[in-house]
Amino acid sequence: ETGVTQTPRHLVMGMTNKKSLKCEQHLGHNAMYWYKQSAKKPLELMFVYNFKEQTENNSVPSRFSPECPNSSHLFLHLHTLQPEDSALYLCASSQQTRQKDSPLHFGNGTRLTVT
Amino acid sequence: QQQVKQSPQSLIVQKGGISIINCAYENTAFDYFPWYQQFPGKGPALLIAIRPDVSEKKEGRFTISFNKSAKQFSLHIMDSQPGDSATYFCAASLITAYSGAGSYQLTFGKGTKLSVIP
Repeated sequence: ETGVTQTPRHLVMGMTNKKSLKCEQHLGHNAMYWYKQSAKKPLELMFVYNFKEQTENNSVPSRFSPECPNSSHLFLHLHTLQPEDSALYLCASSQQTRQKDSPLHFGNGTRLTVT
Repeated sequence: QQQVKQSPQSLIVQKGGISIINCAYENTAFDYFPWYQQFPGKGPALLIAIRPDVSEKKEGRFTISFNKSAKQFSLHIMDSQPGDSATYFCAASLITAYSGAGSYQLTFGKGTKLSVIP
């Protein structure tokens, strides 16, 4: 049973749709992350929140919009996506971001397909 | 400078054999090196990690070897089992200064798909 829950597990959306990915962590952590996982590429960090404040934005296109209402919940709002955005989107949490050995706890991801 | 290069891309090992996955980096500011294991349909999970002031760390059948001068580190899986079949990612941690806050960020390798055959 993962301490980080992501919904939905699978999502198919058209290029003009608007959808949201949801992540919830039950570990009492203070940092939450969105990663993009594509085949044969390194995990790409998209956004980081530490104590609800965004601390990283790795030049992600504006069609991806994160929201972190509290330390337990993280959303990724999607609009006018491109087919190349199809990937596995992973949410993770950690105790906080200022400790190098604070391990990431990942959810099982949302498999996104953009048609 | 920010990359972590991982090899091989895929690896097939007989049950009971030794699996070896290698990673290399350029940026000497990296100061923490974890390995993550990912099973199909699951998210990655921390397997083992090492600090650069240590040359080797062992946890059960899993060992990290670290060569600071060569800027390389590797994962060794002894007595490999079919249940070890998964994708393994090396990573390196670096402090960033986004918004002046200073937080650690992981850079991942591309992953190695390990298959252990009976």
